[in-house]
Amino acid sequence: QKEVEQDPGPLSVPEGAIVSLNCTYSNSAFQYFMWYRQYSRKGPELLMYTYSSGNKEDGRFTAQVDKSSKYISLFIRDSQPSDSATYLCAMSKTGNQFYFGTGTSLTVIP
Amino acid sequence: GAVVSQHPSWVICKSGTSVKIECRSLDFQATTMFWYRQFPKQSLMLMATSNEGSKATYEQGVEKDKFLINHASLTLSTLTVTSAHPEDSSFYICSAPREDTEAFFGQGTRLTVV
Repeated sequence: QKEVEQDPGPLSVPEGAIVSLNCTYSNSAFQYFMWYRQYSRKGPELLMYTYSSGNKEDGRFTAQVDKSSKYISLFIRDSQPSDSATYLCAMSKTGNQFYFGTGTSLTVIP
Repeated sequence: GAVVSQHPSWVICKSGTSVKIECRSLDFQATTMFWYRQFPKQSLMLMATSNEGSKATYEQGVEKDKFLINHASLTLSTLTVTSAHPEDSSFYICSAPREDTEAFFGQGTRLTVV
């Protein structure tokens, strides 16, 4: 079993829709949870960073961590065509070793 | 916010030559940096962990003599692809964790070996 599981998609939504991206994991020792956005031929860009459980909101983005279910989510409200990218979840126990999901490809259609 | 700079962003080289890629943390010190390789439409594959002042740690299957890593200072790590071949063509990305928590990525280097 992989440490981190992420549905690769692709996911296609109309502009303005709410997008839900998810990852599950198997290691209960993970404490740090991150979401990255990667545009084609670019390095991943950190979107959200969460320590332990709970929600974190930043503009149109909300990250949720449910450690009891080993499940993390990223919600994008009022999605825009510029949100079209690949979204990677990542998690870490100590910050010195990161485990990545395979990435979900998102297309927002104008 | 924290920035990790990677250079060059794109390089073409002839088969058999060596290519050096630099990764710099611009506003924080990083005792550890990570080097990844990414094939089209695939996720990041960890190649090695670069440690300041000591040898790099390579993942299984990664040739350490081919992918030379030097972590010269607390803000600079380099990856040298030696005797490059077309199969080494890929997207190489570095990252550095800040204060052992969130990791920031460089812009990536697209290597094409002809």
